[in-house]
Amino acid sequence: GAGVSQSPRYKVAKRGQDVALRCDPISGHVSLFWYQQALGQGPEFLTYFQNEAQLDKSGLPSDRFFAERPEGSVSTLKIQRTQQEDSAVYLCASSLGRATTIPEAFFGQGTRLTVV
Amino acid sequence: AQKVTQAQTEISVVEKEDVTLDCVYETRDTTYYLFWYKQPPSGELVFLIRRNSFDEQNEISGRYSWNFQKSTSSFNFTITASQVVDSAVYFCALRDNTDKLIFGTGTRLQVFP
Repeated sequence: GAGVSQSPRYKVAKRGQDVALRCDPISGHVSLFWYQQALGQGPEFLTYFQNEAQLDKSGLPSDRFFAERPEGSVSTLKIQRTQQEDSAVYLCASSLGRATTIPEAFFGQGTRLTVV
Repeated sequence: AQKVTQAQTEISVVEKEDVTLDCVYETRDTTYYLFWYKQPPSGELVFLIRRNSFDEQNEISGRYSWNFQKSTSSFNFTITASQVVDSAVYFCALRDNTDKLIFGTGTRLQVFP
């Protein structure tokens, strides 16, 4: 597709349930990012892939959060044993990568996760 | 440490007023990029503009203009003759040498008819 696509758009999970959020980046984009945005806040970095390699996962809040991009395209963010503080919008972005003259990242519409 | 500060939490204006959104950044990198994104109620972050650290030329695009000043570490955004459709949250962001974006907390702009 033309833009970054995320699914589902909305997810309600019961506390303790596992969830998986999907991101389909712009075709040809090397870099892929996951961000978490709490209500009224700016996006906070979670993790970053260059192709299939996860280069930075310093923003993942706990070992319950796991991300993968096995073939260097689609990525999945998994949250195990969800807790109420995980409720947020999860944003995915992709870019052509560092060694380009077009460094901007393009974002999907996000997945709003509500843990009840 | 890398940091972006948007001191204005919320701004309200009446249509056709000019409005400036402030952004101050901190970085130890000599090469970096600055960005502005718009987040309308639909939630998607829309890219508006990018500036690299070597280009201090100000830019105008229609009703939008940007003022980048390295001496004060600021990258301010002005909307001229604001319209209701400009109502959104605006984020300033810094890209450091690790490729990840660091965002400010955003400024909510409300434009009333």
